[in-house]
Amino acid sequence: RKEVEQDPGPFNVPEGATVAFNCTYSNSASQSFFWYRQDCRKEPKLLMSVYSSGNEDGRFTAQLNRASQYISLLIRDSKLSDSATYLCVATGYNFNKFYFGSGTKLNVKP
Amino acid sequence: GAGVSQSPSNKVTEKGKDVELRCDPISGHTALYWYRQRLGQGLEFLIYFQGNSAPDKSGLPSDRFSAERTGESVSTLTIQRTQQEDSAVYLCAVSEDRGYYEQYFGPGTRLTVT
Repeated sequence: RKEVEQDPGPFNVPEGATVAFNCTYSNSASQSFFWYRQDCRKEPKLLMSVYSSGNEDGRFTAQLNRASQYISLLIRDSKLSDSATYLCVATGYNFNKFYFGSGTKLNVKP
Repeated sequence: GAGVSQSPSNKVTEKGKDVELRCDPISGHTALYWYRQRLGQGLEFLIYFQGNSAPDKSGLPSDRFSAERTGESVSTLTIQRTQQEDSAVYLCAVSEDRGYYEQYFGPGTRLTVT
């Protein structure tokens, strides 16, 4: 089993829709958590960290559920510019290693 | 990529040749990572450097792959006797210290082995 697993999608949604992605993690990848965004043929960039109590940044909300070992990302009022691949990331026991999910592709349509 | 640079940006090489990829990190970011990303795939961890500690080489796919970093400076990833399956984007990332902080990625080197 991979340390971090995501639904690859694609998720095809209309502008203005709310969309949610989940990501599950293993015991070996359970220290700190992030969501990254990767545009086509570009490097990944940090979207937001995920805190235990959940956190929000504008239209984006991240949640952590340690009991079920998953994190989620909610995007409200989707924009065309949100189209990208969203990578779920977790770090290992010694915080040394970052485990990346394979990404969930989002297409926001007009 | 917040100041992380990689060179070359693109490299086309013939099967069997050696290649060297370079990463220039942000000053003061002690942790440096190399990843491989094949077309349409996720990031595959290759190697991790933290200051002067021994690197974590657990992700290197074969002994044809090696990497070096002196202190907190430039890192090079070397692939010997390249194979077609080595074709991918090689990404370098840095972090201030371990996994408490986010990673900043360079733009990557796109390697094509013909």
